[in-house]
Amino acid sequence: NAGVMQNPRHLVRRRGQEARLRCSPMKGHSHVYWYRQLPEEGLKFMVYLQKENIIDESGMPKERFSAEFPKEGPSILRIQQVVRGDSAAYFCASSPRYTGVVTEAFFGQGTRLTVV
Amino acid sequence: DAKTTQPTSMDCAEGRAANLPCNHSTISGNEYVYWYRQIHSQGPQYIIHGLKNNETNEMASLIITEDRKSSTLILPHATLRDTAVYYCIVRVLNAGGTSYGKLTFGQGTILTVHP
Repeated sequence: NAGVMQNPRHLVRRRGQEARLRCSPMKGHSHVYWYRQLPEEGLKFMVYLQKENIIDESGMPKERFSAEFPKEGPSILRIQQVVRGDSAAYFCASSPRYTGVVTEAFFGQGTRLTVV
Repeated sequence: DAKTTQPTSMDCAEGRAANLPCNHSTISGNEYVYWYRQIHSQGPQYIIHGLKNNETNEMASLIITEDRKSSTLILPHATLRDTAVYYCIVRVLNAGGTSYGKLTFGQGTILTVHP
């Protein structure tokens, strides 16, 4: 059973370009979460999605950032018109829907975005 | 979610037990204690979680005090590969127990295991 898959692992973009980060959750998981880790800082929650729905985007920057989790295919975190301050590691996590058992979320290995 | 307090850093000799403390004095009755770790540049890795009782799995043990105001993560035989940042997270699960993955990470404890 493959884990949470993120690609690309490394992404370099010039200022003003768009960055698209992809996350395929673990098999059977229908909930996806995105986190950002700025250099030398902790992990910060960005957004929580279920299939075709954004459940909680309280951690998303108000501009340039968007996320989706379509019915088919991976979840996408999209950053438009990237700036140097967007350089960070972006992690995706997935979890199953509630089945009566308290469980945990599993994280991917992250995408390291560098804006030059 | 309740705030947690962890020491900034700890050292441990290889082969010895590593005991990582966490204070969560404002924890509510329905909040779980979760531990994750992040080995350098990798994604966070789930270790263990508990509510009231002590828990053990193949990675670690979790000891929760009777008043639930603090807990200790125990790595029984630390190895060099256990060097990582360890995060203690206290959280309530919303109705239906969903959103397991919405976590508030603090600064954690940097555990360094020495040869």
